[in-house]
Amino acid sequence: EADIYQTPRYLVIGTGKKITLECSQTMGHDKMYWYQQDPGMELHLIHYSYGVNSTEKGDLSSESTVSRIRTEHFPLTLESARPSHTSQYLCASSESGTGVYGYTFGSGTRLTVV
Amino acid sequence: GDSVTQMEGPVTLSEEAFLTINCTYTATGYPSLFWYVQYPGEGLQLLLKATKADDKGSNKGFEATYRKETTSFHLEKGSVQVSDSAVYFCALSKRAQKLVFGQGTRLTINP
Repeated sequence: EADIYQTPRYLVIGTGKKITLECSQTMGHDKMYWYQQDPGMELHLIHYSYGVNSTEKGDLSSESTVSRIRTEHFPLTLESARPSHTSQYLCASSESGTGVYGYTFGSGTRLTVV
Repeated sequence: GDSVTQMEGPVTLSEEAFLTINCTYTATGYPSLFWYVQYPGEGLQLLLKATKADDKGSNKGFEATYRKETTSFHLEKGSVQVSDSAVYFCALSKRAQKLVFGQGTRLTINP
């Protein structure tokens, strides 16, 4: 069973609309991540957070923004959707500390902008 | 910087065939190594991991051995099933750092 939840699973929306992709986790993880996955499968880190009120841009420049007001919640917002934003968006979380931890992923949101 | 290179895909096999998906890495220090699997329409799931040289990770019939001398972590399975059709990602991480993923390998198993 999933401990990290993404909603919606699928979204078709018109150009220019504002959208928020939701991501919540119940594991108490401090670290959370957003990836954009292109049709070629490669994963691109677009945002990450190491705790409340901490957000950073990832390796791939993105017009989206994120917030981290609560530990369990890490929403991603697009102020004005464009067809170039069509993609699969994956949220993940991990423990913090000095160890090496894998990530737990949500099921993803497939966004189509028409 | 650190990087992971995976075997080019897609890979297509018949059911019960032997599977190898190659993964090599470049990293300083002593990374931990992971294999993730992504089934159609889903997120990634951790398949197996190894944290030090010569460790073997295993799960669901899949195995991978951490080879520091060849900087490799190849994924193997002796007899694949149609249900193994998925995208497989190799990844590395060091203490308190983000995961570095390979580009993914799409595997299709035909009955």
